[in-house]
Amino acid sequence: DQQVKQNSPSLSVQEGRISILNCDYTNSMFDYFLWYKKYPAEGPTFLISISSIKDKNEDGRFTVFLNKSAKHLSLHIVPSQPGDSAVYFCAASEHFGNEKLTFGTGTRLTIIP
Amino acid sequence: DGGITQSPKYLFRKEGQNVTLSCEQNLNHDAMYWYRQDPGQGLRLIYYSQIVNDFQKGDIAEGYSVSREKKESFPLTVTSAQKNPTAFYLCASSIPGYAYTFGSGTRLTVV
Repeated sequence: DQQVKQNSPSLSVQEGRISILNCDYTNSMFDYFLWYKKYPAEGPTFLISISSIKDKNEDGRFTVFLNKSAKHLSLHIVPSQPGDSAVYFCAASEHFGNEKLTFGTGTRLTIIP
Repeated sequence: DGGITQSPKYLFRKEGQNVTLSCEQNLNHDAMYWYRQDPGQGLRLIYYSQIVNDFQKGDIAEGYSVSREKKESFPLTVTSAQKNPTAFYLCASSIPGYAYTFGSGTRLTVV
């Protein structure tokens, strides 16, 4: 039972345009969400997070949007850069400070120069 | 520099053998985790430990064992009971309220 789903295994975007990565979840107990970025043969690195009390969190080029009623979150990257090419995982936990995370299946983002 | 060290980077195991993957952190984090990554399946939790001498099974613990005798160390043993052990294994650590810090992973291949 996949509680966190990333339905697009891959996405290609022109350099300079907006990249939008999507994530859906089924567990209504989740209320803290994170995005990680992963390069091949390396561990994931933390990008940005959002708590359920917010619907948007921004950090530089990265913005995460949360729609709790739809159980959907998205990561926007503007403008997209070649170094953004990586696999992106969304993750969720049942409350802030609960360290056990459930990860999605990942979306491979390719930025086309 | 603080961080998590996983060793070895690549590991080959013969069928029927047990093998232990090392994970060491010098971040003074209380919690440590082991995840497995397979193509198209994301990261799945094997075991986690929130404090020394205590650990809990994750979603796919069968065929694996762990110990947490020291705060800094959380080794994972892949036993012969694990039917499909070929995968990329990731260790992580955290403190409450903060995102995980991951190691660089160990790729295990059964030959």
